[in-house]
Amino acid sequence: DAKTTQPTSMDCAEGRAANLPCNHSTISGNEYVYWYRQIHSQGPQYIIHGLKNNETNEMASLIITEDRKSSTLILPHATLRDTAVYYCIVRALDDDMRFGAGTRLTVKP
Amino acid sequence: NAGVMQNPRHLVRRRGQEARLRCSPMKGHSHVYWYRQLPEEGLKFMVYLQKENIIDESGMPKERFSAEFPKEGPSILRIQQVVRGDSAAYFCASSPDPFAPGELFFGEGSRLTVL
Repeated sequence: DAKTTQPTSMDCAEGRAANLPCNHSTISGNEYVYWYRQIHSQGPQYIIHGLKNNETNEMASLIITEDRKSSTLILPHATLRDTAVYYCIVRALDDDMRFGAGTRLTVKP
Repeated sequence: NAGVMQNPRHLVRRRGQEARLRCSPMKGHSHVYWYRQLPEEGLKFMVYLQKENIIDESGMPKERFSAEFPKEGPSILRIQQVVRGDSAAYFCASSPDPFAPGELFFGEGSRLTVL
């Protein structure tokens, strides 16, 4: 059973913000939202995670709706090197990290 | 501070041979996870290990696959009698504490090709 739903693919213009949505309507109160990305065939790279509040780090911002049923990962100024598959994962601390199909983001010049 | 180290990066085996993939977690990490990624597919969880213990192997195929994480040395994913369908990238990840909401640190993967 998939805990998250993401669009299969998205495009973004270089220099613009990339907004990647994720639906997790069945999320439980103890489950965190994680984002990872995988560039080409490299190992997945952690981006950000959050529980209830919005989070920001040097890579991205994570906006979680008040009801926690969806979230958006924002890359503020996308570059060509941000082209990757982005995975949204919902996980309780005693669960394993399970990856879905993700969103293939293509940043175009 | 070295990251998660996996070797070999590329491995070619003929059908029926054995494949051994090694993973050295980051320093101070005692929890290791193995994932498999078939061509053009997402990552699939295989197994979660602590030192000398298998905690969750719900994603491991029932036959031919085994994993260990000994007290000393790297974690090993072993595939016996490989078949063409085992051709995939195998990723290892580690964490210091699975019950803290932190990140998993991934290696660069081992790519197995079965001829």
